[in-house]
Amino acid sequence: DAKTTQPTSMDCAEGRAANLPCNHSTISGNEYVYWYRQIHSQGPQYIIHGLKNNETNEMASLIITEDRKSSTLILPHATLRDTAVYYCIDYRYGNKLVFGAGTILRVKS
Amino acid sequence: EAGVAQSPRYKIIEKRQSVAFWCNPISGHATLYWYQQILGQGPKLLIQFQNNGVVDDSQLPKDRFSAERLKGVDSTLKIQPAKLEDSAVYLCASSPPGQGLGEQYFGPGTRLTVT
Repeated sequence: DAKTTQPTSMDCAEGRAANLPCNHSTISGNEYVYWYRQIHSQGPQYIIHGLKNNETNEMASLIITEDRKSSTLILPHATLRDTAVYYCIDYRYGNKLVFGAGTILRVKS
Repeated sequence: EAGVAQSPRYKIIEKRQSVAFWCNPISGHATLYWYQQILGQGPKLLIQFQNNGVVDDSQLPKDRFSAERLKGVDSTLKIQPAKLEDSAVYLCASSPPGQGLGEQYFGPGTRLTVT
């Protein structure tokens, strides 16, 4: 079973920042925070990951609280193509990825 | 760079029939995974290969599911005989070396409907 908890769904206006929260209540010290998304009728797509520090890449930013019990994925300027299911995962190297139900993000014009 | 290829994209069969899915991972990716995704749920790992050896098949229903990865490249997942509850999307993924296996690249999946 997935270890993380996420809201079932969220809406975001096109062009605004989308902030997707995730709770990692049982994350251990050697587990990374990974984010994936799954656009309708496609396979999941890796977005970003981090351990303690905030991370940014061309797709998104990842904010991890100091106690690592929560994280936020930020899409700075959401577009309609960002409508997808977003998954956060606690991952230890060498283990398997365990996906929960994720958050359905709807970007609306 | 070509992505993970899967075929067929869709398959409809009757219960008790058999079915096979094919996957071609990204070139150079030694690790290959098969996932099952039931509607409304996240993907669930069925089996993981490292080259042509099985690393984890703990969640593979071995009485009806089988998978092989001959020559360490392409892979085939088979279901025989199929049950109604096998209706799902079957996803193949692969990982590049040196990434700790957390960064996986997924194919488009095969949607299986068992009637």
